[in-house]
Amino acid sequence: GQNIDQPTEMTATEGAIVQINCTYQTSGFNGLFWYQQHAGEAPTFLSYNVLDGLEEKGRFSSFLSRSKGYSYLLLKELQMKDSASYLCAVRDKNYGQNFVFGPGTRLSVLP
Amino acid sequence: DVKVTQSSRYLVKRTGEKVFLECVQDMDHENMFWYRQDPGLGLRLIYFSYDVKMKEKGDIPEGYSVSREKKERFSLILESASTNQTSMYLCASSWPSTGGPGNTIYFGEGSWLTVV
Repeated sequence: GQNIDQPTEMTATEGAIVQINCTYQTSGFNGLFWYQQHAGEAPTFLSYNVLDGLEEKGRFSSFLSRSKGYSYLLLKELQMKDSASYLCAVRDKNYGQNFVFGPGTRLSVLP
Repeated sequence: DVKVTQSSRYLVKRTGEKVFLECVQDMDHENMFWYRQDPGLGLRLIYFSYDVKMKEKGDIPEGYSVSREKKERFSLILESASTNQTSMYLCASSWPSTGGPGNTIYFGEGSWLTVV
């Protein structure tokens, strides 16, 4: 089966850096995705990793280690608007190419 | 930009009513999905479809059915709504897996259903 774990909640201060971790177990790994979801809204795509290493996209970076089943999302220069839930998801070849989502990490950015 | 449109943003229905949630995507995606999202439980897959007239059960299909008569449209049906189906329902679409960031899934705005 598949399993994805993330911390439930995190708090950080405006201007700081925060790292949100994600561990996964899946038999047919075919990409790891991070989504941002503001309260009451749909998730929106943030980043994608399929090979090991760091992908940088402005203030957001995502890292993947396939051998460890581990990823993190790094948010720099935090802004109040970054307060949201962050969902880690894996696309699984052995799950009909479907997406398996983690429970999400609710990030609160404080002034 | 990909657009996934859900017909109703907020609905209130009575127990036992038949409920239709409609979803349309404009990117010619083969794959379409219905999820529900509940606090503490995350996103759970109800049904998905890889092509017109095709449907597959997800992790929690009980109490639901789906219809895909046209490629761009995927409907979720609650045959007899119950209070435990009060939730946020998200429709989504994607390409078949091709690799790259385009491998992602696109979500609609969500439909908040309350069953009383």
